[in-house]
Amino acid sequence: ETGVTQSPTHLIKTRGQQVTLRCSSQSGHNTVSWYQQALGQGPQFIFQYYREEENGRGNFPPRFSGLQFPNYSSELNVNALELDDSALYLCASSPDREGGYTFGSGTRLTVV
Amino acid sequence: DQQVKQNSPSLSVQEGRISILNCDYTNSMFDYFLWYKKYPAEGPTFLISISSIKDKNEDGRFTVFLNKSAKHLSLHIVPSQPGDSAVYFCAAIDSGNTGKLIFGQGTTLQVKP
Repeated sequence: ETGVTQSPTHLIKTRGQQVTLRCSSQSGHNTVSWYQQALGQGPQFIFQYYREEENGRGNFPPRFSGLQFPNYSSELNVNALELDDSALYLCASSPDREGGYTFGSGTRLTVV
Repeated sequence: DQQVKQNSPSLSVQEGRISILNCDYTNSMFDYFLWYKKYPAEGPTFLISISSIKDKNEDGRFTVFLNKSAKHLSLHIVPSQPGDSAVYFCAAIDSGNTGKLIFGQGTTLQVKP
């Protein structure tokens, strides 16, 4: 399987709800990172997983959490959604820990 | 604290001319720099990269220049084509810090036919 696939493509949630975003990486890509891209801004690093363990985290609160699975899929979970969480969420995978990231098309989350 | 900055939100050039996109950074620990291109409704696509031990890398119409003393890099596209119209992001990596990408705010390039 090639490429990085994210689901869903669009999502609308209500403030206070919880959301799970999914990502399917390329086989052999042991590193997966999640980014949040607000309108008019560059992607901001949320966290990174390597072989199913978190090995880096950006400046995001604990209500942002993740999982990486042995089948190269991963999840981003956000609890207690806030209006400012509205953004494009990007998943990126790499066969190693340095560069060479392939991005998915993202999930557009709108919190109302 | 914006460690990677793209100070020009937009750039418009004529087809066939050169496009120059600029990027500045503040963290001297960055050792790898990348340019990504992003079309609407798609994820960023890797374009070209440069290691901090080099000052130039060329790939077809795309050339990236790195000036470490000025903490500045630029992407040159020549000749520019209408299909190059997209948002361009500069990104940097500190390999000693998980290899996470630090992105600039992006520059929207419009190439007019």
